[in-house]
Amino acid sequence: ETGVTQTPRHLVMGMTNKKSLKCEQHLGHNAMYWYKQSAKKPLELMFVYSLEERVENNSVPSRFSPECPNSSHLFLHLHTLQPEDSALYLCASSSQKGGEVIYEQYFGPGTRLTVT
Amino acid sequence: GQNIDQPTEMTATEGAIVQINCTYQTSGFNGLFWYQQHAGEAPTFLSYNVLDGLEEKGRFSSFLSRSKGYSYLLLKELQMKDSASYLCAVLDSNYQLIWGAGTKLIIKP
Repeated sequence: ETGVTQTPRHLVMGMTNKKSLKCEQHLGHNAMYWYKQSAKKPLELMFVYSLEERVENNSVPSRFSPECPNSSHLFLHLHTLQPEDSALYLCASSSQKGGEVIYEQYFGPGTRLTVT
Repeated sequence: GQNIDQPTEMTATEGAIVQINCTYQTSGFNGLFWYQQHAGEAPTFLSYNVLDGLEEKGRFSSFLSRSKGYSYLLLKELQMKDSASYLCAVLDSNYQLIWGAGTKLIIKP
């Protein structure tokens, strides 16, 4: 596998379910990101892991919980979601120097999430 | 607040030239990115500008004016495969990417 991969590609879940999204990057990058993409809206940055440390985004509800066990893997744990959480969830990675993101991000194909 | 503005949708003819504009108001500036996103696919990197002027890369060029808070992406010799959304994103003073909502480009034969 090359680039950034995400599984599953599609997910339908009920509001009481618990599920996890997985992202893996094969590019040797040291920063990883979760984005939410809703129709006709800007990409919303949810979480950033830089050098395996999480940069908090205070506007993300606690029903979304990220996990970064190492620099190549990123998870997004989901529980008790709402219908408005239905969206495309994109993972990205980049190289980072010091505390600065100065290189382009490479995106995975995304997980299309539908909450019923 | 921080803001990126792009037209929602544009239409152009195959073989023609189209310019997609992006204006931004951000807390600081550390560069501007353009990405292409085909329907149902991941965004892919097109260009990065941090200094004023024009950067040319094949059929695609990107221009930046920091004093005006303005950039454009110029696509020449349009092909049907260029039908996609084009996303503008600015790296602010905290090195966080601020994204525009994207411009959907429709190419007609």
